[in-house]
Amino acid sequence: DAGVTQSPTHLIKTRGQQVTLRCSPKSGHDTVSWYQQALGQGPQFIFQYYEEEERQRGNFPDRFSGHQFPNYSSELNVNALLLGDSALYLCASSLSWGLDYGYTFGSGTRLTVV
Amino acid sequence: SQQGEEDPQALSIQEGENATMNCSYKTSINNLQWYRQNSGRGLVHLILIRSNEREKHSGRLRVTLDTSKKSSSLLITASRAADTASYFCATDAFGQAGTALIFGKGTTLSVSS
Repeated sequence: DAGVTQSPTHLIKTRGQQVTLRCSPKSGHDTVSWYQQALGQGPQFIFQYYEEEERQRGNFPDRFSGHQFPNYSSELNVNALLLGDSALYLCASSLSWGLDYGYTFGSGTRLTVV
Repeated sequence: SQQGEEDPQALSIQEGENATMNCSYKTSINNLQWYRQNSGRGLVHLILIRSNEREKHSGRLRVTLDTSKKSSSLLITASRAADTASYFCATDAFGQAGTALIFGKGTTLSVSS
């Protein structure tokens, strides 16, 4: 049973460019959350998708957008990249009804903006 | 913003010793979870404790929760070198189970042999 799969694993982009990160949730999970983790910090919540809708959003600008597809996979898009967007981006999947279960995280995408 | 704050920020112990790390949070919660992260990789779920529970065990892990003090502790007994990692507590963002998790800054644990 595959866990959460994220692609690509590493990415280097130039300031001002746009990037798309992808996530396939654990089999059977229907909810996907995205997190940004700067070096030495804890993960910061970006947004959560359920039933192809953004259900919750953290304190991130509109440059950060996402999408969830009917197969529950998800994309994170970041426009007009800034140097400060360099971070590890983590995708986590969960069950909408699984109140007592933890999240399953992918290994992340390391984004470097130069 | 950070909901949970772990303490200490860093902890160094010898193999076989116990490691205790603490977490404080600010608002009411539905449950509290602990995760481990090895060297910048993805997070691994360790244990979840509900707000109506006071203590929970899983293998060498023991978690306590004190909702009156808004705090939790994670005890790892008989530590091994493989336990070297960063440990994070996480709470549900809006006091609703299944919603977004808010993480603290983590405790970095180093276990030397």
